[in-house]
Amino acid sequence: DGGITQSPKYLFRKEGQNVTLSCEQNLNHDAMYWYRQDPGQGLRLIYYSQIVNDFQKGDIAEGYSVSREKKESFPLTVTSAQKNPTAFYLCASTDGVQPQHFGDGTRLSIL
Amino acid sequence: RKEVEQDPGPFNVPEGATVAFNCTYSNSASQSFFWYRQDCRKEPKLLMSVYSSGNEDGRFTAQLNRASQYISLLIRDSKLSDSATYLCVVTSEGMTTDSWGKLQFGAGTQVVVTP
Repeated sequence: DGGITQSPKYLFRKEGQNVTLSCEQNLNHDAMYWYRQDPGQGLRLIYYSQIVNDFQKGDIAEGYSVSREKKESFPLTVTSAQKNPTAFYLCASTDGVQPQHFGDGTRLSIL
Repeated sequence: RKEVEQDPGPFNVPEGATVAFNCTYSNSASQSFFWYRQDCRKEPKLLMSVYSSGNEDGRFTAQLNRASQYISLLIRDSKLSDSATYLCVVTSEGMTTDSWGKLQFGAGTQVVVTP
């Protein structure tokens, strides 16, 4: 069954800690995206990647980093430089024809 | 001004009634439009694309008004299961892979269908 898998569902970060959110897709999509959703706000683009070993900053990339070593995987690291990391993080992918399809998200909170 | 604006609601709708709401966008060059549905604490799921001539999918009807720069969603014969937040999504570029990364999301309109 094709889809996007995000893990973990819930994650807690300690002060000064980097944490990595996983996103894996078996849809054979070239493009993958990371969004952040805060209450009462629309989704905001953090990073996106259209091809392996290449990625671009979105609107709110500061304090985040990504890698795209495999087509199927696009992990997001929330670094200690991100001072307000509490949010719902959503990974999405597309083949460039159909609209983006989302994973079921990771909720990140500060301990 | 936000690129995509929606009335946050909530729109409280009796079961079986019709509800409609709009979304305005600021970029006149916007080319593609979508409605996504998001249940509480879940991921957004595509509800329907919005075509220039308007389109219908079962009880859902979407319209585009380019002159006034808004799209609308109408839900007929509302079901309890229609309770959700409806996200308006707009792209500004053409149909290329890169354009899908330029999606602009509204903050959503909450619909609550009551028995």
